[in-house]
Amino acid sequence: SAVISQKPSRDICQRGTSLTIQCQVDSQVTMMFWYRQQPGQSLTLIATANQGSEATYESGFVIDKFPISRPNLTFSTLTVSNMSPEDSSIYLCSVRLTYDRIGSYEQYFGPGTRLTVT
Amino acid sequence: QKEVEQDPGPLSVPEGAIVSLNCTYSNSAFQYFMWYRQYSRKGPELLMYTYSSGNKEDGRFTAQVDKSSKYISLFIRDSQPSDSATYLCASFSGGYNKLIFGAGTRLAVHP
Repeated sequence: SAVISQKPSRDICQRGTSLTIQCQVDSQVTMMFWYRQQPGQSLTLIATANQGSEATYESGFVIDKFPISRPNLTFSTLTVSNMSPEDSSIYLCSVRLTYDRIGSYEQYFGPGTRLTVT
Repeated sequence: QKEVEQDPGPLSVPEGAIVSLNCTYSNSAFQYFMWYRQYSRKGPELLMYTYSSGNKEDGRFTAQVDKSSKYISLFIRDSQPSDSATYLCASFSGGYNKLIFGAGTRLAVHP
């Protein structure tokens, strides 16, 4: 398994500002993901942040709004830029572990960052 | 059509009941199937993970996959109030493909 921590756990921000969320994993992982979960909703993938390559964004999410850094195999950041109330959500970091040659996969999530934009 | 469909509930059962949570999926390439449990204000917790068809048991939990009908199930025996949470099914085809989630089913187990 993997232990994932996120900072901050929650924040209240003003419209137009930016917030950077940090994700730290207790082991080296290749595949790391950022998700958004709006109240009462399921999880929506924002982007995949594999170390050594540019982040890949899902439809509806752009790098200018959600820039991602992945400096090493245990750490990543997601910035929510120029925030508006519509960005109020829970942001979750996730990692995928691969076991053995046939590719057994398990994907784990951090505790989330609860963001409120006023 | 969503790739993974899940009834959002809510589902309310008495303590001790057997709970059946279900999902269907449409992508024949899906091979990996996961169930997550999410308590309020917490991140999703990986509960069960299965590869291809068959059953997998872990304590009071049994995950079942029927690839012929594209049906995924999670059974909870002797349900407890502490099982009250949202349960999310998810699936993907492996490699670098993304994990696709169902809507999540909210379960309440009352004493």
